[in-house]
Amino acid sequence: GENVEQHPSTLSVQEGDSAVIKCTYSDSASNYFPWYKQELGKGPQLIIDIRSNVGEKKDQRIAVTLNKTAKHFSLHITETQPEDSAVYFCAATPYDKIIFGKGTRLHILP
Amino acid sequence: DTEVTQTPKHLVMGMTNKKSLKCEQHMGHRAMYWYKQKAKKPPELMFVYSYEKLSINESVPSRFSPECPNSSLLNLHLHALQPEDSALYLCASSQGGTSEMSQETQYFGPGTRLLVL
Repeated sequence: GENVEQHPSTLSVQEGDSAVIKCTYSDSASNYFPWYKQELGKGPQLIIDIRSNVGEKKDQRIAVTLNKTAKHFSLHITETQPEDSAVYFCAATPYDKIIFGKGTRLHILP
Repeated sequence: DTEVTQTPKHLVMGMTNKKSLKCEQHMGHRAMYWYKQKAKKPPELMFVYSYEKLSINESVPSRFSPECPNSSLLNLHLHALQPEDSALYLCASSQGGTSEMSQETQYFGPGTRLLVL
């Protein structure tokens, strides 16, 4: 069945360093890959997304890369700041479903 | 305005109570969703409404009853819940009208944290 694997489950990085979160998906029918950030006590918020017709997308300190052949996509956050601390979810969207990864808890260390 | 609002923020109810969760959006979206999220887990889809009609029901127990009175409002009626139903209930909306709604950006509300005693 459809599955999205997300790694790591927890990530601690020094403030100012980069963070990378990786996801793999199983169903090649997925064409849209959103990334959500969820802060404590809040709902998930879309931070960036990518469609299968592009390989990379960047928005200021955040970038996402997609390798459709290998069925994996990654989130890159550069120059991390304390407000980047949150849980991040990747997702794939085969057919009419959205399948979330299990989440990565990102800690930004002072 | 990209805001989805949900009320109440918190809800405590007994197993014999009847309560309702409410969700509202004014983005003109025609697809609305209910998700359930347990602690340290991703959201799990419960229901999808498209143009005020229920289009997806992910085998949710009948003690959860969704309702879409109009294109801006989505309710979730709760009755005879169990303690294991305690969770964060999230509402989301997307533009709607495409053949595959999963390809649309979903905007989430802040959720209602539900505790069933």
